[in-house]
Amino acid sequence: GQQVMQIPQYQHVQEGEDFTTYCNSSTTLSNIQWYKQRPGGHPVFLIQLVKSGEVKKQKRLTFQFGEAKKNSSLHITATQTTDVGTYFCAGRNSWGKLQFGAGTQVVVTP
Amino acid sequence: ETGVTQTPRHLVMGMTNKKSLKCEQHLGHNAMYWYKQSAKKPLELMFVYSLEERVENNSVPSRFSPECPNSSHLFLHLHTLQPEDSALYLCASSQDLGDEKLFFGSGTQLSVL
Repeated sequence: GQQVMQIPQYQHVQEGEDFTTYCNSSTTLSNIQWYKQRPGGHPVFLIQLVKSGEVKKQKRLTFQFGEAKKNSSLHITATQTTDVGTYFCAGRNSWGKLQFGAGTQVVVTP
Repeated sequence: ETGVTQTPRHLVMGMTNKKSLKCEQHLGHNAMYWYKQSAKKPLELMFVYSLEERVENNSVPSRFSPECPNSSHLFLHLHTLQPEDSALYLCASSQDLGDEKLFFGSGTQLSVL
């Protein structure tokens, strides 16, 4: 069945540094979504990518959808303590089924 | 505040108890979902309702029983649970099924003793 893998599982980042988290699907996706879950909180929708090679930016966050629509990345520049949390990708396949990855837990060191 | 309210926030129950989780959405959405979130695992979709009709059941044990009396309310009835059922149970809603973003509630942290 469809699998969505996220790497790394953990990311320790020094405040001010950049980092990237990756999402890979075993099947071609119709779209991909990203969510952020703060410690003790619930997942909050960040963005949806639909087109092959699409790139979207939200302030310091840059989201990219691969040309083959099987992978995606989230790049954060100049990390801040407010970026702490777990970032989930969720890929939707051609049948409409949404599959979440296990998430990348981000810890920011001041 | 996401417009999706879950109660209770925390629940401790014994294996012989019966309890219910409640979810209410104030967004006018047509689809509602139950997800299970366990540590270090992807979110697991349990049930999906669209316009009060169950549209997906992902092989969830019968000790979990959903109920959707109307498009704004969703319940998850629990009985004779196992300790491995301890997890965060998240309710979510979306405008419709398909290419829609999910709005999650704050979840119920369930501990089964």
